[in-house]
Amino acid sequence: SQQGEEDPQALSIQEGENATMNCSYKTSINNLQWYRQNSGRGLVHLILIRSNEREKHSGRLRVTLDTSKKSSSLLITASRAADTASYFCATDPSGGYQKVTFGTGTKLQVIP
Amino acid sequence: SQTIHQWPATLVQPVGSPLSLECTVEGTSNPNLYWYRQAAGRGLQLLFYSVGIGQISSEVPQNLSASRPQDRQFILSSKKLLLSDSGFYLCAWSAGGTTQYFGPGTRLTVL
Repeated sequence: SQQGEEDPQALSIQEGENATMNCSYKTSINNLQWYRQNSGRGLVHLILIRSNEREKHSGRLRVTLDTSKKSSSLLITASRAADTASYFCATDPSGGYQKVTFGTGTKLQVIP
Repeated sequence: SQTIHQWPATLVQPVGSPLSLECTVEGTSNPNLYWYRQAAGRGLQLLFYSVGIGQISSEVPQNLSASRPQDRQFILSSKKLLLSDSGFYLCAWSAGGTTQYFGPGTRLTVL
C-alpha cells in the first residue's frame, strides 16, 4: 500500500506564483524525500529531509516536515514553466530497509 | 559520475509474448537495484529489488521475474505478457542509502 499521499492531485498556477504540495504518511519514518518527474521520464531526486529536521531549503525549494502530524510540504517559489512536472514524496519507514515508498504524486502545471 | 541506462525506450508486445527489459548502471559498484512499474497518472509500485548478484526480493506476486546476472545489470522478464502488464517501467539504483537514481524508463504496451 502507498505510504505517502500527496495533495492536491493536480495544481495549476501562473508563472511567478508559489506552488505548495503536501504529503501525508502513516507510519514513523527515518526520512522523507521529494522527487520530480517530467512527463514520460524517470524521477529525479530533489531533496531529502531527515526525521529530526523541520525545514530544509534548496534553491527555490523549501521543504517542511511535521512528524507529529505525519506530514510534509514542498514549496516551490517563483515558479517557472519549466517546473511543470509531477512531484512525488517518498518515505523511508523506521525499521525498514530499502523499502522507500512513493506517493501518488501531485501534477503541477505552471502556465507561462 | 554514475549513469543508469534502460532499454528499450518503448515496446509494443502482443499478449502471451515474452518480455525482457534491461537496466545497467555505470560508475558505481555493488549498487542496490530496483524495478518499479507506474500505471498512467499513478504512483510507483515497487516490483523487485536486489542488494547483490543473484539476490532478488519480490514485492508483488505476478507473472514477472527479475534477475541480476552481473553486479550492475538488472533484468526484468516475463514468459507470457498480460494486458495488465502495460505500463511505464522504471529501473533505479541506490548506493545503500535512501536516495534512488532513476533510469529514463521503458514504456510497455501489451496489445
